[in-house]
Amino acid sequence: QITLKESGPTLVKPTQTLTLTCTFSGFSLSTSGVGVGWIRQPPGKALEWLALIYWDDDKRYSPALKNRLTITKDTSKNQVVLTMTNMDPVDTATYYCAHLPGTGFAPWGQGTLVTVSS
Amino acid sequence: DVQMTQSPFSLSASIGDTVTITCRTSQNIRSYVNWYQQKPGKAPKLLIYAASNLKGDVPSRFSGSGSGTDFTLTISSLQPEDFATYYCQQSYITPPWTFGQGTKVEVK
Repeated sequence: QITLKESGPTLVKPTQTLTLTCTFSGFSLSTSGVGVGWIRQPPGKALEWLALIYWDDDKRYSPALKNRLTITKDTSKNQVVLTMTNMDPVDTATYYCAHLPGTGFAPWGQGTLVTVSS
Repeated sequence: DVQMTQSPFSLSASIGDTVTITCRTSQNIRSYVNWYQQKPGKAPKLLIYAASNLKGDVPSRFSGSGSGTDFTLTISSLQPEDFATYYCQQSYITPPWTFGQGTKVEVK
């Protein structure tokens, strides 16, 4: 059974850097073809894909946010870390990580709500 | 970026109804569309991948079709647990992996 869980701060101040960790089990991020992605959802709004890292350390970023995002993996710890710099109140959202075995993201973590406020 | 336009934005339906949600893309993405269901306060759940392939644990009343730029998600005989928001998502021209704006299925 594959599970993922997001962890990190629930509140960050404007201009700060957000660091989120996705801890997963039930699969290996060293298996060919596998990826882990981050997706966010502002309250009451649609899903927005942010970043993805593949088993071979290939990294992909949202063109709109790529200057602010960094994604890394620690295969030995079964973790993927996302950092987002220069946080703004518009970045307030639930942040999800998800497993990408092929074409669709499945499953997803439960999500973590991050509020950006001074 | 590939734009995903879902319609309708919301719909009201009754138990037992057949519901159809459409997703139109700004570029030809062959059959690389996935559909997700999201219930309030919960993470999205993958229902259909590659336009028409039902994920293993998803009831057969859900079906998907389409290719190119026009796709549909159909729910036959709507059940109480199907009231949720549904999203389409493309995985052909990436990055980014783009999502539609969502369709909320509500009780009539």
